Order: sequence, then C-alpha cells, then structure tokens
Amino acid sequence: QKEVEQDPGPLSVPEGAIVSLNCTYSNSAFQYFMWYRQYSRKGPELLMYTYSSGNKEDGRFTAQVDKSSKYISLFIRDSQPSDSATYLCAMTSSGAGSYQLTFGKGTKLSVIP
Amino acid sequence: EPEVTQTPSHQVTQMGQEVILRCVPISNHLYFYWYRQILGQKVEFLVSFYNNEISEKSEIFDDQFSVERPDGSNFTLKIRSTKLEDSAMYFCARGDRLTYEQYFGPGTRLTVT
Repeated sequence: QKEVEQDPGPLSVPEGAIVSLNCTYSNSAFQYFMWYRQYSRKGPELLMYTYSSGNKEDGRFTAQVDKSSKYISLFIRDSQPSDSATYLCAMTSSGAGSYQLTFGKGTKLSVIP
Repeated sequence: EPEVTQTPSHQVTQMGQEVILRCVPISNHLYFYWYRQILGQKVEFLVSFYNNEISEKSEIFDDQFSVERPDGSNFTLKIRSTKLEDSAMYFCARGDRLTYEQYFGPGTRLTVT
C-alpha cells in the first residue's frame, strides 16, 4: 500500500466552480499536512499548512484534515483560470527525524474560463 | 519572492559526468532539504541537512550523492557519476523548525544524455 495516495486527475472544472482535492494516507504517524501548488517545471509553492483535525481557511482555500479516516482535502472556492496547476499534498510526522515530506503524486487541475 | 534560489536552472550533462547543483538561501536558516521529481512522478525526499550536517537520507541518496555547505551560505548537491535515470527536477527547500513548513526553490532541471 502506498503511503500517500492522490487521484492524479486530470480534473477540469468551469470558472467559478468549487474544487475538491483529496489525499488518503496509511501512516498514522503523519501529523503535519501541507498542500502545494506546482506549475509546470516550477518549484512547489506552499498553499496551506495544517496540524490538527478540522478545517483551516485562507481566502478561497480551505484545508480539511480527518485523522481518524486518514483523509485530507483542499477546497478551492470560486475557482479561477489562474488556479490551473498541479496540486500536491504532503505530510510529515514528528517521528520522521528531520521532518522530510512524503508527497502524493499530485492532481492536475484545469479551470476553464 | 522565493525562499531559496537555485542554480543553474537547467543543466545538461553526459552520463558519467559529475554535476553540482547549488542552493542559496535568502536568509540564514538551519534546515535544508533536497528533493527530486522525475518527470510525471512524485516529489521524492533525498536528504536533509541541519546545522551543516546530514541529518537523514533516503535510499535514493547513495554513494554517488553528496551534500555540502562549503562557505556557510551556498548549499550544494553533488552527483559524482551521473546516470540516465538521474534526469529529474531537483529542488532545494528550507525548513521551518517550529511549524515544519517547507519552502521550495524553483528547481534545477537535470538532463543526462
């Protein structure tokens, strides 16, 4: 079983739609969760960081963590064409020594004007 | 504004040659990481570097790889004898010790021919 699973998509939505991106994980030691946005051949850009179960909101983005189900989500409201990118989930644990991140494969999102 | 800068942006080398990839932090940080991303694949952890020493390395980081911080500022990843399968994007990231967030550089695209 892979440590972090993420549906690669591609996901195509109309402008203004609500987007839901998800990851599941198997390692219950993961405690810190991040969402990155990555444009083609660029570095991942940190969007959201969460620690505890529950929701965290930042502008149009909401990150949700359900540790009991080992499931995390990123919601994008009022999606814009500029949101078109690949979204990566990443996670780490305090027991991971140096806190290296384990990534999902990424979901490619296209927002159609 | 990137947290770290990386040079070169693109490196083409022949199989068997040595390459040095550089990471320059914008400000003084203690935690650094190298990751790689083979085209179409996940971002994978290579090595972490804390206080000028390797703190953890993955199975990928074999004897062909080394990291240094030769002048206390630049942070380098050296691949001694490149193979075709080393072709990938290589990312440097700096870590935040308190929140475990990691901020990535723009990457170096390594092409081994």
